[in-house]
Amino acid sequence: NAGVTQTPKFQVLKTGQSMTLQCAQDMNHEYMSWYRQDPGMGLRLIHYSVGAGITDQGEVPNGYNVSRSTTEDFPLRLLSAAPSQTSVYFCASKLGRGAPGNTIYFGEGSWLTVV
Amino acid sequence: AQSVTQPDIHITVSEGASLELRCNYSYGATPYLFWYVQSPGQGLQLLLKYFSGDTLVQGIKGFEAEFKRSQSSFNLRKPSVHWSDAAEYFCAVGPLNNQAGTALIFGKGTTLSVSS
Repeated sequence: NAGVTQTPKFQVLKTGQSMTLQCAQDMNHEYMSWYRQDPGMGLRLIHYSVGAGITDQGEVPNGYNVSRSTTEDFPLRLLSAAPSQTSVYFCASKLGRGAPGNTIYFGEGSWLTVV
Repeated sequence: AQSVTQPDIHITVSEGASLELRCNYSYGATPYLFWYVQSPGQGLQLLLKYFSGDTLVQGIKGFEAEFKRSQSSFNLRKPSVHWSDAAEYFCAVGPLNNQAGTALIFGKGTTLSVSS
């Protein structure tokens, strides 16, 4: 049981490049989300998913793409990286619909710098 | 609109003194409320959460929080602060749209410094 695993942990991109941040969980969690954290802004929701094949936009979805083809994986794609996407990205997962008391598990974060 | 406000950006407390971090929320239904702590360069650690029942919630590391529906507040308290409590604290409310279990709305955070 590895929890929520994010890769890579650190990445430097050039403006215009594309990349995918990986998030995997081995707990059979239905709910997964991506957040970005910027100084003084807290965590802001990018996209979330309530199960395989179902995704929706959060507060700051522009410039990001997601898909959920399996329960385990929830990759976040940057289509054309911009310096404004320099941030720390966190993935989260949780077991079970209708179970608000279940713990939300966060990954350790991915530090992305766009130059 | 759903939102969370943490009015204090930075607080400094003497070691051994009491602490209260403020959190106000706007949410259309009964909220689920959380406090997380983050040390520099680290991930998020859940301190405590409120879903229903007793409005005074006990958490880890000696923290507690009180849910006050009439004031739309969920303030975090600790009776005696230790130097190791220096970190950034986030209040969060959710779930977004009453359905998405990991989709939370976070406040902008309060940085706690502890002086000796």
